[in-house]
Amino acid sequence: KQEVTQIPAALSVPEGENLVLNCSFTDSAIYNLQWFRQDPGKGLTSLLLIQSSQREQTSGRLNASLDKSSGRSTLYIAASQPGDSATYLCAVWGSNYQLIWGAGTKLIIKP
Amino acid sequence: DTAVSQTPKYLVTQMGNDKSIKCEQNLGHDTMYWYKQDSKKFLKIMFSYNNKELIINETVPNRFSPKSPDKAHLNLHINSLELGDSAVYFCASSSAVNQPQHFGDGTRLSIL
Repeated sequence: KQEVTQIPAALSVPEGENLVLNCSFTDSAIYNLQWFRQDPGKGLTSLLLIQSSQREQTSGRLNASLDKSSGRSTLYIAASQPGDSATYLCAVWGSNYQLIWGAGTKLIIKP
Repeated sequence: DTAVSQTPKYLVTQMGNDKSIKCEQNLGHDTMYWYKQDSKKFLKIMFSYNNKELIINETVPNRFSPKSPDKAHLNLHINSLELGDSAVYFCASSSAVNQPQHFGDGTRLSIL
């Protein structure tokens, strides 16, 4: 059974720092992996999707990597800003068309 | 224009009532989903429809019934609401089953 874990559960850093959020999954047989952000009281915004054949995807200051063999993905945020404060969720597409979710990392960027 | 819209945003009701949450997407997507986010922030899939056909039906009580009148709509009807149904419910859509999902803002359901 696929399980997704995100570490750390919470992270607080000063503005301007580069940071890495981690996501690990137990079953490497995935179709793709998707990173989302969730703002308080809001829905989820898709940030990046990495297909199982890809190693990384980039969008602006965000870079997501995928290492299927080790069951890991990282989300790198460069030059963090207070507007990046949110909960970041990782989800993997496994068999039977289901997204399996991590519990998220709550990120606070201090001005 | 909102891509995936859910109504209502908040729903407060008494135990035992029947309620519906509506979802509409204007992205032209074929696949729609309902998720439940619990108090620990885990999102669990409840249902998924592809071209109005049910493709995922997780182990949810049969008090929950999805209805897809057309590809752009997937409504969730809940009968005999219970305290444990209190949660945030998210609707999502994607162009195909393994493509990026776009989410609505969620419906916060509170059962008194």
